Amino acid sequence: KQEVTQIPAALSVPEGENLVLNCSFTDSAIYNLQWFRQDPGKGLTSLLLIQSSQREQTSGRLNASLDKSSGRSTLYIAASQPGDSATYLCAVSGRTLTFGKGTMLLVSP
Amino acid sequence: NAGVTQTPKFQVLKTGQSMTLQCAQDMNHEYMSWYRQDPGMGLRLIHYSVGAGITDQGEVPNGYNVSRSTTEDFPLRLLSAAPSQTSVYFCASSYSVGQLNYGYTFGSGTRLTVV
Repeated sequence: KQEVTQIPAALSVPEGENLVLNCSFTDSAIYNLQWFRQDPGKGLTSLLLIQSSQREQTSGRLNASLDKSSGRSTLYIAASQPGDSATYLCAVSGRTLTFGKGTMLLVSP
Repeated sequence: NAGVTQTPKFQVLKTGQSMTLQCAQDMNHEYMSWYRQDPGMGLRLIHYSVGAGITDQGEVPNGYNVSRSTTEDFPLRLLSAAPSQTSVYFCASSYSVGQLNYGYTFGSGTRLTVV
């Protein structure tokens, strides 16, 4: 059974810092890995999708990497802003989509 | 292009009542699924479908039924609601071409309270 772990569970940083969120998974037989953002009381917004054959994807200030052999992914956020405050979820796609429990990020002005 | 639409957004049920959560997508995605999200438990898969007429159980299927008569719709039925089914429910859809999956799109959720 696929298990996905996200570290840290919560993170608080001052505005402007660069930060890294970590995701690990136990079964490397995946199709892809997807990072989502969830604001309180809202749905899931897809941020980045990395196919299993890719090493990284970038969108604006976000960069996600994937090391399938070691079962790890990182989400790098550059120059964090208060608007980045949210819960970030990592999900791996095999036969089904399996989620980690998320990292709750707070960026203070 | 509406994406994935879930109705209702909020619902309060009494224990023992039944109801159907609706999910519709207009992207012609073959794959659809239902998740529940609970504090401390994350998102857990309830049921999923890889195409019209095909459904399968996920991690937490007990107390829920699904059917997939069309590509667009994937309703989730609560047969006899219990307080343990109080949760936020998300529907998602996805498509693949060969071995390449193009990621999941989620609806905005249904917040269900069973009293």
